Amino acid sequence: GQNIDQPTEMTATEGAIVQINCTYQTSGFNGLFWYQQHAGEAPTFLSYNVLDGLEEKGRFSSFLSRSKGYSYLLLKELQMKDSASYLCAVRGTRSGNTPLVFGKGTRLSVIA
Amino acid sequence: DAGVIQSPRHEVTEMGQEVTLRCKPISGHDYLFWYRQTMMRGLELLIYFNNNVPIDDSGMPEDRFSAKMPNASFSTLKIQPSEPRDSAVYFCATTGEFSNEQFFGPGTRLTVL
Repeated sequence: GQNIDQPTEMTATEGAIVQINCTYQTSGFNGLFWYQQHAGEAPTFLSYNVLDGLEEKGRFSSFLSRSKGYSYLLLKELQMKDSASYLCAVRGTRSGNTPLVFGKGTRLSVIA
Repeated sequence: DAGVIQSPRHEVTEMGQEVTLRCKPISGHDYLFWYRQTMMRGLELLIYFNNNVPIDDSGMPEDRFSAKMPNASFSTLKIQPSEPRDSAVYFCATTGEFSNEQFFGPGTRLTVL
């Protein structure tokens, strides 16, 4: 089975940096994903990690440690529009493009 | 491309009624996933298809739920009979064989009274 844990809520100040952590236990591993979901909208893809290390994409970075079953999403220079839920997801090792198992999400509130 | 299209966007029905949700994938995407999202359980996979063939339906809650993909352009998720506990947002997502990004439709918000 697979279990994914992430904090339920976080609050951060506009212009600051915030780190959202995710830990996972899986029977197999073929990638760690982060999605952003604004209230009332669909999830949208942010990042993908399959090897250990940091992937940077503009203001957003994602880190993975496979040995520790740990990932984080780093958001820099926070803007009000970054207020959303951030979903951590893991893909198993079945061949082909298999489904994702999602955590319950971290609701981030950016305040002025 | 218009992205993944789902209909209806909102559905309110009474317990015991049949509900049919529809999804049109992005052209060329050969994987289609049906997810359900609730506050309590988060985003959960119900079933997925590859090249129109159901691969894993272990997430379908019970026999009241069924899904079909008669061709590469269309999929349905049917609930019969519906129950209040089925109230949720149902998302369809699609992707290509070698893509790491799933594209989600806007979702159908289902309320069963």
